[in-house]
Amino acid sequence: GAGVSQSPSNKVTEKGKDVELRCDPISGHTALYWYRQSLGQGLEFLIYFQGNSAPDKSGLPSDRFSAERTGGSVSTLTIQRTQQEDSAVYLCASSERGGGQPQHFGDGTRLSIL
Amino acid sequence: GQQLNQSPQSMFIQEGEDVSMNCTSSSIFNTWLWYKQDPGEGPVLLIALYKAGELTSNGRLTAQFGITRKDSFLNISASIPSDVGIYFCAGQRTGANSKLTFGKGITLSVRP
Repeated sequence: GAGVSQSPSNKVTEKGKDVELRCDPISGHTALYWYRQSLGQGLEFLIYFQGNSAPDKSGLPSDRFSAERTGGSVSTLTIQRTQQEDSAVYLCASSERGGGQPQHFGDGTRLSIL
Repeated sequence: GQQLNQSPQSMFIQEGEDVSMNCTSSSIFNTWLWYKQDPGEGPVLLIALYKAGELTSNGRLTAQFGITRKDSFLNISASIPSDVGIYFCAGQRTGANSKLTFGKGITLSVRP
């Protein structure tokens, strides 16, 4: 499709397991963002990729969180040794480039840690 | 982390009424955006504002970028049932990291 695609749409896992969340940005968009949305809250910035530059990881809440973007397109967000407080909706957004261009969001992955 | 201030948390209006939502910040942003989120979906961009004082319309929606760069409002005129959803404001600063800072959102209910 033409929009940002995220998978899986839902993920339920046990505490302590690792999870991988995938994001396919809009074709041609060089900037990619990950956000986290906890219940009843706004979106919280996690990490930002722009082209071949080093990613801005300033929003990652702990060293259990990491993300990669291979080939300047698809991105994977990995959470190791999941905790119950990691339960949230993880949203990915892309824009044509950074620097103020509008960000377009996928429908997110709803992560539930038991 | 810093969040923009949106209140009240919920608003209830009658179909056909106008509604206005405000968003404030203690610091300056270069860009203000308004998003709408439906259940189970990602936020959808409604309006983007790039200049202080700018007033922009998108159909029944009108938004303004405050002169101080610390606030914005969104107005919805002649509301209809499909306007139901969560409305988020977001601020953005120009720079190497163009992350969005979000408010907590306002849940709008429209009574037919």
